[in-house]
Amino acid sequence: NAGVTQTPKFQVLKTGQSMTLQCAQDMNHEYMSWYRQDPGMGLRLIHYSVGAGITDQGEVPNGYNVSRSTTEDFPLRLLSAAPSQTSVYFCASSPRTSGSYEQYFGPGTRLTVT
Amino acid sequence: AQKVTQAQTEISVVEKEDVTLDCVYETRDTTYYLFWYKQPPSGELVFLIRRNSFDEQNEISGRYSWNFQKSTSSFNFTITASQVVDSAVYFCALAVYGGATNKLIFGTGTLLAVQP
Repeated sequence: NAGVTQTPKFQVLKTGQSMTLQCAQDMNHEYMSWYRQDPGMGLRLIHYSVGAGITDQGEVPNGYNVSRSTTEDFPLRLLSAAPSQTSVYFCASSPRTSGSYEQYFGPGTRLTVT
Repeated sequence: AQKVTQAQTEISVVEKEDVTLDCVYETRDTTYYLFWYKQPPSGELVFLIRRNSFDEQNEISGRYSWNFQKSTSSFNFTITASQVVDSAVYFCALAVYGGATNKLIFGTGTLLAVQP
């Protein structure tokens, strides 16, 4: 199993550009989520999905869109990048079974918006 | 509201010293899970431990041990005989049981630097 994979690893955008961060998992996990990590703030939840076709907002959803058309993939879209979105982005997945809350994290995408 | 506080921003120790990382959490729910994750300089997040709210037994895994005390809402992490490879940012996190969500609420992390 590859686990949770993210592409790209690094990205530089100009203000106003759009892009999609890719996330895929091969563990058949129903739950997937996106976090951003900023210095001194830990990780904060952006969006999450409890299954294909079901998504919801986390703590900091503004400026980001998600969709979940398959169990495996959960892309994060930035429609119009802003410098405030400079961050490290982590995708995570976990089984949806009761009591199993361990989340498996991808390697992260470091995004810089200039 | 749920919250996780890691008051220690940075800790520096010399190799072989013992070190304790503090974690205090807030939740009104009776069923919840607590986690510790390690983030080494390479950047990935490594799962260390999960503990549910009904299990207050301390746990030891090699040089790592965890002390869960519901009375003080704390879930502290101790590294015995620290090594340079322990240098990392350590995150404590809280997940509340129930519904369809597995949201993790993270603390702000503690940067541990182990000097040779």
